[in-house]
Amino acid sequence: GNSVTQMEGPVTLSEEAFLTINCTYTATGYPSLFWYVQYPGEGLQLLLKATKADDKGSNKGFEATYRKETTSFHLEKGSVQVSDSAVYFCALKPYNFNKFYFGSGTKLNVKP
Amino acid sequence: SQTIHQWPATLVQPVGSPLSLECTVEGTSNPNLYWYRQAAGRGLQLLFYSVGIGQISSEVPQNLSASRPQDRQFILSSKKLLLSDSGFYLCAWSVGPDLGYGYTFGSGTRLTVV
Repeated sequence: GNSVTQMEGPVTLSEEAFLTINCTYTATGYPSLFWYVQYPGEGLQLLLKATKADDKGSNKGFEATYRKETTSFHLEKGSVQVSDSAVYFCALKPYNFNKFYFGSGTKLNVKP
Repeated sequence: SQTIHQWPATLVQPVGSPLSLECTVEGTSNPNLYWYRQAAGRGLQLLFYSVGIGQISSEVPQNLSASRPQDRQFILSSKKLLLSDSGFYLCAWSVGPDLGYGYTFGSGTRLTVV
């Protein structure tokens, strides 16, 4: 089956700290992988994506690399800001079906 | 450009009352449409999805129903709300069976059943 597992939060960091949010997946075939971000009181926004193995998605200083061998898509940022405080969702879309599977979300709190 | 509208943003309803949440998409045709619910402190749960007018697939048995009366309109309904229906409801759309395209989400409706 298809599923996504994210590290549990909340994650609390100081400004300018390095961020890693772990995401691993289970899927048949070769899914596309996504990170979505949800700022307080808002809907979800696509942050970045990768559609095949070894692809690196990047946006707003965030990066994630599609690792087929470890079935992972960890989100990283070298220096977080207070404005990055949000809930981050990892998601996959199976190669043969237009339906998404989301992880449970990881809340990030960045303190000044 | 494509946009998605969802309303209302916030709703407080008594137990046993009906519900109707509406979602419309502009700037695209024949989108796939989805309703998700996010319960407090939990992840996203897919409730319904639709690949065309009148075509609704339900992911989980529940107190809710969905309808798609027009190509770009998706409605979430309930005849009698339960306390457990409280949550953050998100509508989303995506293009057809293309690979690698994510969802575009609406801004959500926060429903509190009292």
